[in-house]
Amino acid sequence: AQSVTQLGSHVSVSEGALVLLRCNYSSSVPPYLFWYVQYPNQGLQLLLKYTSAATLVKGINGFEAEFKKSETSFHLTKPSAHMSDAAEYFCAVSGYSSASKIIFGSGTRLSIRP
Amino acid sequence: EAGVTQFPSHSVIEKGQTVTLRCDPISGHDNLYWYRRVMGKEIKFLLHFVKESKQDESGMPNNRFLAERTGGTYSTLKVQPAELEDSGVYFCASSPNLKQGEDTEAFFGQGTRLTVV
Repeated sequence: AQSVTQLGSHVSVSEGALVLLRCNYSSSVPPYLFWYVQYPNQGLQLLLKYTSAATLVKGINGFEAEFKKSETSFHLTKPSAHMSDAAEYFCAVSGYSSASKIIFGSGTRLSIRP
Repeated sequence: EAGVTQFPSHSVIEKGQTVTLRCDPISGHDNLYWYRRVMGKEIKFLLHFVKESKQDESGMPNNRFLAERTGGTYSTLKVQPAELEDSGVYFCASSPNLKQGEDTEAFFGQGTRLTVV
């Protein structure tokens, strides 16, 4: 069975500050891990994915995430927040391939303070 | 290339009525998925088509929900009769078949916001 836990339903940071969105997963098989973003009035967009290659994964818009097997974590970071980063972020896990069924976390809404 | 398209973008219906949601996947994608997000909760898997066949429908909540993908192209998700708890955002996604040694991803549509009153 697979599951995802996102810590914090709402995170607020100042513009220019570090963004850290936390995600822990549970998986009985080697996982594929994802971060998706949903901007207001838009669909889900893939930010980045981990598929058993490099543990530090770089995505779009300056985001990156590090896969830590020992901690079963896949936290999302960005060194300097921009106003345009305000959105809802979803951590997700799937099984043998990234075409498998995806299990999502409950989402974290990121707000950016001027 | 067009992305995954969903119709309508928003639907408001009364309890007991029928609603049909449509998803047009990216052309050539054999895999088509339906997901749902009920207000404030996680996005949950409903079912997975491979071409016109249901590969996994373990997430379908009950028999009021019927999904079809005739001809293996677009898909419809019908809710009949709709209940208040069916309100939420319904997402569709598609992905191509994997080739040996390759990886892929699921591409999501913008979702249909269903409100049952």
